[in-house]
Amino acid sequence: DAKTTQPNSMESNEEEPVHLPCNHSTISGTDYIHWYRQLPSQGPEYVIHGLTSNVNNRMASLAIAEDRKSSTLILHRATLRDAAVYYCILRDLLDAGNMLTFGGGTRLMVKP
Amino acid sequence: ETGVTQTPRHLVMGMTNKKSLKCEQHLGHNAMYWYKQSAKKPLELMFVYNFKEQTENNSVPSRFSPECPNSSHLFLHLHTLQPEDSALYLCASSHLGSYEQYFGPGTRLTVT
Repeated sequence: DAKTTQPNSMESNEEEPVHLPCNHSTISGTDYIHWYRQLPSQGPEYVIHGLTSNVNNRMASLAIAEDRKSSTLILHRATLRDAAVYYCILRDLLDAGNMLTFGGGTRLMVKP
Repeated sequence: ETGVTQTPRHLVMGMTNKKSLKCEQHLGHNAMYWYKQSAKKPLELMFVYNFKEQTENNSVPSRFSPECPNSSHLFLHLHTLQPEDSALYLCASSHLGSYEQYFGPGTRLTVT
């Protein structure tokens, strides 16, 4: 599986935007970029995914570099409830097994 | 509430005990998963079931025995575990081929 690299931790102030980076320089043409997050004492939850174009949903935006070797998850206004570990995961479109390979993720801390 | 429930939420067992973890999904999904999350390690996929058939066993020791009697229920039978098996065990489900997995809250297992 292609590997992703994320900072171990980041800090943000409440009400400010947060940009969470992910590098995936060995991404293949059929890899989707997925983001999940894990709030304290909970299982992971899906945030967003994309292939080539930037994506927006009610939780976040995903900005994908033109060469697809990196992406950024954008939280437009961080709240205290956004404090979590954020995982950037590549999943092959051709993978019928639905497998997700989690890395260490980025622990986001939000200060009031 | 993700539609995936796990029981028990906490379990303490001795190394000679036999216990079972239960997962139930109310989402009409046809794929179910067991993950293990140890302290300071990424989530590790253990087993995958598609349409009640096991399609992935990620080199998991035989002291962990999964069972999927129908597409809504998944069990993880535990016997003669080791202290290093103490971890958070997470269940997830999805539609086969879907980009989104739904996770339960996990069972915190402590082996003494």
